[in-house]
Formats: sequence, structure tokens, C-alpha cells
Amino acid sequence: ELKVEQNPLFLSMQEGKNYTIYCNYSTTSDRLYWYRQDPGKSLESLFVLLSNGAVKQEGRLMASLDTKARLSTLHITAAVHDLSATYFCAVGAGSYQLTFGKGTKLSVIP
Amino acid sequence: DTGVSQDPRHKITKRGQNVTFRCDPISEHNRLYWYRQTLGQGPEFLTYFQNEAQLEKSRLLSDRFSAERPKGSFSTLEIQRTEQGDSAMYLCASSPLAGGGTDTQYFGPGTRLTVL
Repeated sequence: ELKVEQNPLFLSMQEGKNYTIYCNYSTTSDRLYWYRQDPGKSLESLFVLLSNGAVKQEGRLMASLDTKARLSTLHITAAVHDLSATYFCAVGAGSYQLTFGKGTKLSVIP
Repeated sequence: DTGVSQDPRHKITKRGQNVTFRCDPISEHNRLYWYRQTLGQGPEFLTYFQNEAQLEKSRLLSDRFSAERPKGSFSTLEIQRTEQGDSAMYLCASSPLAGGGTDTQYFGPGTRLTVL
């Protein structure tokens, strides 16, 4: 059974600081996604990572994938308040369903 | 707005009642998914349709749950004899039909179910 673990689950950081969220998964995967969820809202797609060494960047967020280590990271550069949200990684392995981590609740403090 | 839509957005029901939710996917998307999300957790997969065919079902989908996608367009999720443990956000997602199953799933706003 595929398991996806994120850490930390809660992250409070100051504006302007950098930090990394980690996503580990237990079995071979062919695709990994990062989503953002604001309170009371649905999930917004951020990144799709399909191959080992893949790196994608959008604004202050950068995601990478190491399939050998079964690890993805979401790096936040110079955080701003607008980035406050819950971030989920989701892994697909051999079927169309996605297995999600528990999410990382990020609070950026002025 | 051409995103995934869900109706109703909120539903409050009494234990033992039946409820039905509707999902309208993005129009050109052949694949449709249902997930359930409880407070503080990530979404959990329930079921998947490709066109009108239901191709995958989670063990979470007990016999009280049924999903349909009769013409390969909108989908309904029905819960019979609701229980308090069914209280959750029910999310629908869709993705286009393309090779490899690598397509991003686009989520709707969800239906929040509260069972009293």
C-alpha cells in the first residue's frame, strides 16, 4: 500500500525567510503533484513532477523530485503572507488514483 | 467559469437519510474522480470514471455509497443511510484523456456534508 508522508505538518515562518517542505513516499511512483489549499477552498494545482531530477519553479515556490530516494521537496524562498495555506503532495503509482499526504499548514508571519 | 462545479456546496442531513451530490467536470475531460477529505487530512480516493465506465473503487466506498456517470458527462455520488462518520468534504476532480495517466487532476469546490 502506497504511503505518503509530509513533514513538517505545521510550519510557522517569518516573512522573508526560506524553508523546505518534504514529501516521502513508500513505493515506486510515476508522477508526483503539489497542491495548495486555502481554508474552506478546494485544491489548486501547483506542480506536476514526472521524472527523476525534475525541477519546477513558479514565483517563490520550487519543487523537485528524487525518485531514487522517493522524495520530493517544495522550497519556499523569501516567504510572503500570501503563501499562507496548506500544501499537499500527492503521488500516483500505476493507477489513476492519487494518494495524498496529510498536508503542511504554512503560516507566514509578518 | 469552465472549472469543475459541484452541487450543493453544503448539505446538512440527519443520520439515516440519503443524500446525493452532483459533479460537473471540465467539459473536455473524460476522467472524473471522487475523493473524501476530513478535517486535517488529505483527500482520500473514492472512485474513478473514464467516460461512463467506473474503473476503480476504493475499499472506503462501502455498499452505502454509489456513484454514477450515466452519459460520461456529469456524475452523482449517493450515500444511503448516512452515518455521522460520513461527515466530510466530498471533492470531485477531472482530468483529460491522454496517455500515461500523468494528467493533473483539477478539483471542484467540494460539497461539505454534515450528518447530525
